[in-house]
Amino acid sequence: DARVTQTPRHKVTEMGQEVTMRCQPILGHNTVFWYRQTMMQGLELLAYFRNRAPLDDSGMPKDRFSAEMPDATLATLKIQPSEPRDSAVYFCASGFRQGSNYEQYFGPGTRLTVT
Amino acid sequence: AQSVTQLDSHVSVSEGTPVLLRCNYSSSYSPSLFWYVQHPNKGLQLLLKYTSAATLVKGINGFEAEFKKSETSFHLTKPSAHMSDAAEYFCVVRPGNFNKFYFGSGTKLNVKP
Repeated sequence: DARVTQTPRHKVTEMGQEVTMRCQPILGHNTVFWYRQTMMQGLELLAYFRNRAPLDDSGMPKDRFSAEMPDATLATLKIQPSEPRDSAVYFCASGFRQGSNYEQYFGPGTRLTVT
Repeated sequence: AQSVTQLDSHVSVSEGTPVLLRCNYSSSYSPSLFWYVQHPNKGLQLLLKYTSAATLVKGINGFEAEFKKSETSFHLTKPSAHMSDAAEYFCVVRPGNFNKFYFGSGTKLNVKP
C-alpha cells in the first residue's frame, strides 16, 4: 500500500531557528504539493512541483520559505528563520498527472510549533 | 475564476440518519471534482472523484456524490451515518487541465449517538 511519508511528524522549535520538513512522494508520482493548514486560514497551497520543477510557489512567503525537490524521491520545505505565526500542520501530497485521471494523495503531515 | 463553496461549515446528524454535505463550484473549464475526509489529527483521505464519466460517483465507506452541471454542484451523501464518519470533509475542484486543485473551506460532520 503506497503512501506519502513525511518527517518529522512533530517539531517544536524556537523562533529564529531553521526548520526543514521532508516528504517522500509515492514512487512514480510526478507532482508534489505542499500545503499548510491552520484553524484560521484552513488549507493553503504553498507550492507545487511537476517532474521536480517548481510550477508555482506564489503561496509561500519568499523571504523565509523555500521548497525544493533534490530528486524524485524527496521534497523539502524549509523555513528560515521560523516565526510563531508559522505554527501549523504542513501537508505534502503527491499525484501522477496523466490526462484527466489525476488526484492527490496526502501524507500524514508535520505539526510545527514555533515558540 | 475557479472556486469551491461548501455551504455548511458544520453539519450534525444522528447515527443511522442520512448525511448531506453540500458543495458548489465555479470553473471556467470542465472540472474534475473530489471529496476528501480528514479525521482529527490525520491527513486527508480521498473519498471519491468525478472525472467526466458517470455523474453519480460511489466512494469508500458508503459515500456517494452526484455531479450536476446545470446546478454546478457536487453534493456528498450517505444513506446512514456511522459514528466513525465524524470528521471534516473537503470538496475539491481541478479545472480542466490545470495542475492545481482548489479546496473548499471544509464541513465538519458531527454524528450524535
